[in-house]
Amino acid sequence: QVQLQQWGAGLLKPSETLSLTCGVNGGSFSNFYWTWIRQPPGEGLEWIGEINYRGGTNYNPSLKSRVTMSVDRSKNQFSLRLSSVTAADTAVYFCAAVPTSGAYYMDVWGKGTSVTVSS
Amino acid sequence: AVQMTQSPSSLSASVGDRVTITCRASQDIKNDLGWYQQKPGEAPKVLIYTASSLQSGVPSRFSGSRSGTDFTLTISSLQPEDFATYYCLQDYNYPYTFGQGTKLEIK
Repeated sequence: QVQLQQWGAGLLKPSETLSLTCGVNGGSFSNFYWTWIRQPPGEGLEWIGEINYRGGTNYNPSLKSRVTMSVDRSKNQFSLRLSSVTAADTAVYFCAAVPTSGAYYMDVWGKGTSVTVSS
Repeated sequence: AVQMTQSPSSLSASVGDRVTITCRASQDIKNDLGWYQQKPGEAPKVLIYTASSLQSGVPSRFSGSRSGTDFTLTISSLQPEDFATYYCLQDYNYPYTFGQGTKLEIK
């Protein structure tokens, strides 16, 4: 069973770059799309984007100019970078795994990383 | 982007009640919709995918259905552990989009 462990800096200043990583334990790295979702305090969920094991990406256009996702197959990890952050990027960021075979659903989730942007 | 309009935004109900939550898509999304449950301080959990398929391990009191661009999550008999926030997610078109959420509270 796949498990996801995520980590990264939780406090940023405006204009800095958010950097989060999700480590994959168990399962095959190539059998999933690797996805990032965020949730501002007290608000709903926002799909940030996804990356496959070969590095192919799909990003939310609302963030596309600032988002970069990457994979490191040697370490079974995938990462999110979001540049030029502002207070509006304050949120809990989740990583999730979507099986590549069959139907689409976010099957396994990380516990979430709370990121605060404040001067 | 496909807009998902979820209703109601909040709902009070009692243990044993039958509850329905609806998401309306702004265009045809076929059956490409899932339902997720989120409890405070936790990551969401998938309940239903492709509109009506029950995820393994999810109790059978949860069900999903589709009528055109309207999607419904039904909980047939509420249990204490079901009080949570529920979200729909369309995966038909990028960017994938969530409904605004329905907070299910104890009456």
